Amino acid sequence: SQQGEEDPQALSIQEGENATMNCSYKTSINNLQWYRQNSGRGLVHLILIRSNEREKHSGRLRVTLDTSKKSSSLLITASRAADTASYFCATPGSARQLTFGSGTQLTVLP
Amino acid sequence: DGGITQSPKYLFRKEGQNVTLSCEQNLNHDAMYWYRQDPGQGLRLIYYSQIVNDFQKGDIAEGYSVSREKKESFPLTVTSAQKNPTAFYLCASSSARSSGANVLTFGAGSRLTVL
Repeated sequence: SQQGEEDPQALSIQEGENATMNCSYKTSINNLQWYRQNSGRGLVHLILIRSNEREKHSGRLRVTLDTSKKSSSLLITASRAADTASYFCATPGSARQLTFGSGTQLTVLP
Repeated sequence: DGGITQSPKYLFRKEGQNVTLSCEQNLNHDAMYWYRQDPGQGLRLIYYSQIVNDFQKGDIAEGYSVSREKKESFPLTVTSAQKNPTAFYLCASSSARSSGANVLTFGAGSRLTVL
């Protein structure tokens, strides 16, 4: 069952620009996570935001959560070629498993 | 270094054969998970286990089987009953505390191709 859906599916930007990707989900959650996946590799946890938080920062990452709209956004500032990857949002399932969206493929051009 | 090791990284299978993908973790995590990823798609949950000797079906368990005889190990068998097994398989684990968020640590993945 798909809970989160990322938008856009693909994003291509120049190095130094900011990248914004969005996630919408369907049911109430108590937290939302973002993960990154380099091509052909496993996922790596980036950041977690709880339902009582509206915004959270980690280095060049900024995550927002709007529980009234059931949406979250991930902003990567001053992007680098090394940020090229797929980014997934993940929400908790009924038995503590995570449900992942279909991802945003980010390409940062040098 | 603590982490999750998946093997093999690449595997080729003939139709009608069963194959087993290995997943070992030394993070002392209680919970372990198997996800399947198809090209350009998200992750779909196959099976998960929250404690030793117990596991539950995920969204796409048909054609797969698992065991959890040890805390560190959660092997996945792709049986001949799985009609479209070519995919990228990801194993993950978490500490699965009763409170707090469930953050997953992933292995590097195993790519299975059916010839």
